[in-house]
This record gives sequence, structure tokens and C-alpha cells, in this order.
Amino acid sequence: QVQLVQSGAEVKKPGSSVKVSCKSSAGTFSTSAINWVRQAPGQGLEWMGGIIPIFHTPNYAQKFQDRVTITTDESTSTAYMELRSLRSEDTAIFYCARELGTHLDSWGQGTLVTVSS
Amino acid sequence: EIVLTQSPATLSLSPGEKATLSCRASQSVDNYLSWYQHKPGQAPRLLIYDASNRATGVPARFSGSGSGTDFTLTINSLEPEDFAVYYCQQRSDWPPITFGQGTRLEI
Repeated sequence: QVQLVQSGAEVKKPGSSVKVSCKSSAGTFSTSAINWVRQAPGQGLEWMGGIIPIFHTPNYAQKFQDRVTITTDESTSTAYMELRSLRSEDTAIFYCARELGTHLDSWGQGTLVTVSS
Repeated sequence: EIVLTQSPATLSLSPGEKATLSCRASQSVDNYLSWYQHKPGQAPRLLIYDASNRATGVPARFSGSGSGTDFTLTINSLEPEDFAVYYCQQRSDWPPITFGQGTRLEI
């Protein structure tokens, strides 16, 4: 397992963007996929997308394809998730998680994003 | 997209009892099925991967079984700290990774 530390809570206006960071303590950052998972209030876990840093090519869930960008900075072992055109329904906790082949073995602590006017 | 359906939605049991949670996939996921425990205010915790392998540090009372489309998470002799929401997740047909809707295990 590795430690993933996410950035702090955010409050955003509708229509704006949010960028959440996820810093990894893993020496294998470049070769392990980092995924982003969302949990809206009272809802379950929802996969948004993921990226293997060394390949720089993210995959996104169709639902978020037009509004999300996932990137990495290998020099700081940090992954980022940017969500644009925020609406109230995007209020949620966002988690980053390291993928080990078939499963997500390490998770960040979560970042609460509140979208409110 | 593979859909995972968990049952029951809510399971009410007492400490010391045995819990049996089900996860059914809309098509075969081979054995690429994982289970997570999620408590309020905490990150999800990996319990079982590849259908039946316990993750590091997971107590032996947790076990997983199944393959193809039908999977089971069994928790023997429930402890008070086991009451949480449990999710299954597949990574067979990717993207996307998909989760079940969750089973709430309550006292």
C-alpha cells in the first residue's frame, strides 16, 4: 500500500472549475494507475477516470468525458483531477485511488467539493 | 458496460452473526471482482481482490467466493466495527471500472 494525500475541501460557484490534487508516497508512481472516484451525498461510488502516469493517456467514464481532465506530474508524484462546468449535482467527495491491476488498494482521504451559489 | 447488482440493499444483523452479501454481474468478469468496506468519513478500504484474495491486514472472518457472474462476500461472526456499506467492483471489461450500488450492513 501507499499513502495518497489529497488537497483540501473546496467551495465553488456553479459554472466554475475545481482541480483536486493527489500526492503519492509510492516509489512506483509512474507505473501504477491512479483512478478518481466520486461519491455524491447519499449515493454510491462512481468511477470518473484513470491514468497511468508513464503513458500520459487517461481514460474517462463516458458520463464525465466532456468535463473532466486527469493529469499527472511525475516530478512530484502528484495526480490531478479537474472538473469543469460545475453544477450543484457535482457536490461530492472525490477520492483518488491507486490501481494494482484489478483492484484499488490504496485510497486518498477524500476531498469534499461543494458547489453552491 | 458491465453492471454490478448487489443484494440485499440493506442487511440487518447482530454482532456474532454471519453476513452473506451478493454481487451479480451483467456479464462474466472472470474473477476480476473486488470488495470494499466504506464507513462514513473514511476512505473505502479494499477487503477482497480477484474474487477470493484477502487484502493485507484484513481479518480472516472476511472471505470472498465466486467467478463469472455471481460473487459472494461472507463475514463470519460480525464484529461491531463491521457495520458499514460494502461495494463490489469489477475491472474485467475496462473502461469503465464499475461498482455495485452497495449493501448497507446495519445492526
